[in-house]
Amino acid sequence: LAKTTQPISMDSYEGQEVNITCSHNNIATNDYITWYQQFPSQGPRFIIQGYKTKVTNEVASLFIPADRKSSTLSLPRVSLSDTAVYYCLVVRNTGGFKTIFGAGTRLFVKA
Amino acid sequence: SQTIHQWPATLVQPVGSPLSLECTVEGTSNPNLYWYRQAAGRGLQLLFYSVGIGQISSEVPQNLSASRPQDRQFILSSKKLLLSDSGFYLCAWKLPGSSSYNSPLHFGNGTRLTVT
Repeated sequence: LAKTTQPISMDSYEGQEVNITCSHNNIATNDYITWYQQFPSQGPRFIIQGYKTKVTNEVASLFIPADRKSSTLSLPRVSLSDTAVYYCLVVRNTGGFKTIFGAGTRLFVKA
Repeated sequence: SQTIHQWPATLVQPVGSPLSLECTVEGTSNPNLYWYRQAAGRGLQLLFYSVGIGQISSEVPQNLSASRPQDRQFILSSKKLLLSDSGFYLCAWKLPGSSSYNSPLHFGNGTRLTVT
């Protein structure tokens, strides 16, 4: 499974756009990139997933360059309630039943 | 719609006591089921996953075991708890089959276990 590397923590202010970049140099052809959000004392919640280029939903955007060795989660105009840990995962088709989480990025949004 | 239930929400157990955490899923058939553990301030560690009744894959050799006696029931057990077993235990499910490998995980609300 491709290893992912994310910043340990990030700070932001309300109303700003936040971009969290994840490196996954060993990503394979059939791997998908998935992001989860976790609040304290809760299970992670799926945010967005993509294979290449750009994906957007009501919560976030995901940018994946052509080489797919990294991806960037973009949160537009964050609020205090976006303070959470964000996990980047690479999910592989072969044996894709296993889903491994890294350490995640702890985002602090300040007023 | 699908729902996942975990209980209990919190648990305090003495060292050496047994453990049984239960997870059930409703609204789907033959889901892939997972147990994760999260130590305080840390990421999620995959403990076990199951693709069908009686089929358990262990990711980390340790003091815990898992069983899947029914299609939508996943149980995490220990015969004798250690202090290091303390943590936040999360059950999750995803759609079955290799064709749905990129379907997301859906987590329960977790059980916070403190071993004293």
